[in-house]
Amino acid sequence: AQSVTQLDSHVSVSEGTPVLLRCNYSSSYSPSLFWYVQHPNKGLQLLLKYTSAATLVKGINGFEAEFKKSETSFHLTKPSAHMSDAAEYFCVVSVGGGATNKLIFGTGTLLAVQP
Amino acid sequence: NAGVTQTPKFRILKIGQSMTLQCTQDMNHNYMYWYRQDPGMGLKLIYYSVGAGITDKGEVPNGYNVSRSTTEDFPLRLELAAPSQTSVYFCASSEGEKLFFGSGTQLSVL
Repeated sequence: AQSVTQLDSHVSVSEGTPVLLRCNYSSSYSPSLFWYVQHPNKGLQLLLKYTSAATLVKGINGFEAEFKKSETSFHLTKPSAHMSDAAEYFCVVSVGGGATNKLIFGTGTLLAVQP
Repeated sequence: NAGVTQTPKFRILKIGQSMTLQCTQDMNHNYMYWYRQDPGMGLKLIYYSVGAGITDKGEVPNGYNVSRSTTEDFPLRLELAAPSQTSVYFCASSEGEKLFFGSGTQLSVL
């Protein structure tokens, strides 16, 4: 069965330091993977998506993620955190060949950025 | 474009009351969705629609109903509110694989 696991419920970094948010997936075939961000009292916004075109995916706001099939991982990174990056981040896997009615959301990672 | 608009933003219901959460989108998207988000959990799909007149159950449909009479609107109905329905509700529409979310409705059932 397809699933997604976000390994950290909370991550705290200092402004200007790198960000790493970890996500592992389980899928019986090549998955579509996404990262969404949710700022306080807002809806989710797509950061980036992987759909097998390239293993390193660049998203908005300087974020990127690397698909590693051998490790079944899709970790989200950013070289230098900004205060505005403080939000909750969700890793999402599509289990229906990209069908948006078959998305499985991770439980989220809350990113805190300290000044 | 306003995108996806949800109303109300907050609501408190008593057990057994009913209400409708409104959702409208101005992007002419065929696909629309209702999710609920509980603390420490990912989003769970309640219902979705692939176009006007067509709806289908998601992962957690019990206690809810939907209708899709137009492309723009996708209201979610709670008939007999229960404490288990206390949650934050998000409406979304999609273009391809990209979801566009509303800002959410925080519902408490007491």
